[in-house]
Amino acid sequence: QKEVEQDPGPLSVPEGAIVSLNCTYSNSAFQYFMWYRQYSRKGPELLMYTYSSGNKEDGRFTAQVDKSSKYISLFIRDSQPSDSATYLCAMSKDDKIIFGKGTRLHILP
Amino acid sequence: NAGVTQTPKFQVLKTGQSMTLQCAQDMNHNSMYWYRQDPGMGLRLIYYSASEGTTDKGEVPNGYNVSRLNKREFSLRLESAAPSQTSVYFCASSEVPGRGPEAFFGQGTRLTVV
Repeated sequence: QKEVEQDPGPLSVPEGAIVSLNCTYSNSAFQYFMWYRQYSRKGPELLMYTYSSGNKEDGRFTAQVDKSSKYISLFIRDSQPSDSATYLCAMSKDDKIIFGKGTRLHILP
Repeated sequence: NAGVTQTPKFQVLKTGQSMTLQCAQDMNHNSMYWYRQDPGMGLRLIYYSASEGTTDKGEVPNGYNVSRLNKREFSLRLESAAPSQTSVYFCASSEVPGRGPEAFFGQGTRLTVV
């Protein structure tokens, strides 16, 4: 079993919809939980990170961590065509950062 | 402020050839990483370096070697390239986790082994 599992999609939703992206993990030693966004032919860029269980909001984005279930989520409200990208969850322990496979998201105008 | 710079951006190798991918960061970060990204596989950690003078294996180290030349530079070497090493390679750097986990990525090196 991989340490971080993420459905690769693709996921297509209409503009304005709420998007839910999820990851599960197996190692309870992970310390930080992150979401990266990657546009085609570019390097990933950090969207949000959290350190503990609970919710963290930044504009249209909400990150949620449930350590008891080993489950993290990213919600995107009022989705826009410019949100079309690959979203990767990532988790860190000690000095390693481990990524999920990434979910390809398409927002349809 | 360039961030993380990778060279080259594109490379085609023949099977059995060797090459070194270069990475440099100007953010004074302690940790540096090499990942490979393949379709449907996400980013897989090849090697990482928590600080100058240390390197450790990641998930897929076989066929690769690394050198942390100094705090700024972290190179990845393929001694005898194989078609299975065709991929996009990303270098990244970050502060030591505990003071923020954000990793900054370079633009990637697209490597094709024929």
